[in-house]
Amino acid sequence: RKEVEQDPGPFNVPEGATVAFNCTYSNSASQSFFWYRQDCRKEPKLLMSVYSSGNEDGRFTAQLNRASQYISLLIRDSKLSDSATYLCVVNSGGGADGLTFGKGTHLIIQP
Amino acid sequence: GAVVSQHPSRVICKSGTSVKIECRSLDFQATTMFWYRQFPKQSLMLMATSNEGSKATYEQGVEKDKFLINHASLTLSTLTVTSAHPEDSSFYICSLDRGDSYEQYFGPGTRLTVT
Repeated sequence: RKEVEQDPGPFNVPEGATVAFNCTYSNSASQSFFWYRQDCRKEPKLLMSVYSSGNEDGRFTAQLNRASQYISLLIRDSKLSDSATYLCVVNSGGGADGLTFGKGTHLIIQP
Repeated sequence: GAVVSQHPSRVICKSGTSVKIECRSLDFQATTMFWYRQFPKQSLMLMATSNEGSKATYEQGVEKDKFLINHASLTLSTLTVTSAHPEDSSFYICSLDRGDSYEQYFGPGTRLTVT
């Protein structure tokens, strides 16, 4: 069973639309959660951390459901520049542990 | 955030040769760095945790004698792919965490192609 699962997509979405991604994780002891963005052939960059209370950063909203071991990312008013692969990432230990990445969800925003 | 550099950004080598990849923390002294690799259309996979002044901790399935890690200073960790083969062709990325949060800062990656 994969530790972090995501729908790989691709999601083809018209500009201005709202799109949502989901992710599930298997390790109930996981302590911290993130969404990273990765552009083609580049390193991943942190988009936002995910908290139990939910958090919002501009057009991006992330939610965590610990009971269901489920993480979501909502992008409103999508822009062409949002086209990328979105990686669901989990840290199952303390700060000195590596991260576990999902395979990513590929998003294509169409004009 | 921390600034992390990697060198080289891209390398092509012949099968059987060894390749060294450097990961530098430019503005932070990192006691711990991480090495990941990413095959095409796959997720990043943690290979090993590099600890300054001690032996690296390798993930299951990663050969420590093939992927030599040296974390000789607080700002430099190196990964040497020994006797590289075409199946080692991948995108190798290092990261570090500052210890004050769970966020990790990634280097720009090194794309290795073994012919």
